[in-house]
Amino acid sequence: LAKTTQPISMDSYEGQEVNITCSHNNIATNDYITWYQQFPSQGPRFIIQGYKTKVTNEVASLFIPADRKSSTLSLPRVSLSDTAVYYCLVGGPNAGNNRKLIWGLGTSLGVNP
Amino acid sequence: GAGVSQSPRYKVAKRGQDVALRCDPISGHVSLFWYQQALGQGPEFLTYFQNEAQLDKSGLPSDRFFAERPEGSVSTLKIQRTQQEDSAVYLCASSSPRLATDEQFFGPGTRLTVL
Repeated sequence: LAKTTQPISMDSYEGQEVNITCSHNNIATNDYITWYQQFPSQGPRFIIQGYKTKVTNEVASLFIPADRKSSTLSLPRVSLSDTAVYYCLVGGPNAGNNRKLIWGLGTSLGVNP
Repeated sequence: GAGVSQSPRYKVAKRGQDVALRCDPISGHVSLFWYQQALGQGPEFLTYFQNEAQLDKSGLPSDRFFAERPEGSVSTLKIQRTQQEDSAVYLCASSSPRLATDEQFFGPGTRLTVL
């Protein structure tokens, strides 16, 4: 299974765009890239998932280069409420394969006023 | 019930006691997962159910851990003879293959403290 590497922590200010990059050099051909957000005392929450190029939803964008060995989660105009831990995961395309996802430590994002 | 619920939210046990943690997944979700999350760490996989079948229990740390989902909906994670190292947040998640993504929906977790 592909292991991911992401920064342990990042700091930003309200209104700025935040980009969190994740490395996954050993990604397999059928692996998808998924990002989750976790607030203290809550379970993780799905943000976005992609396979290649660019995916955008109402919350974030996910940029994946052609070699797929990394990905970047982009959060536009962050607010204080975006302070959380962000996890990058790589794994198979169906629920059954999710069980072996390696979560790692995630990136702790702090947003300052 | 719009989301995954877990009970109790907090549990304090004396070392050696047995505990049972409950998970109510989203109605109709076939897949159910249990994770253990230590303080400051990411979730670690424990076990996976598809309906009532436990398809993978490779993440259970010892034979003191047991999980079941007898009717394919509610699941219980049981820990026998609890030890201090069992102190963690236990997360339950469910998902459905009918979704466009394999998004997992997580409950709030049960924080277990073993004294």
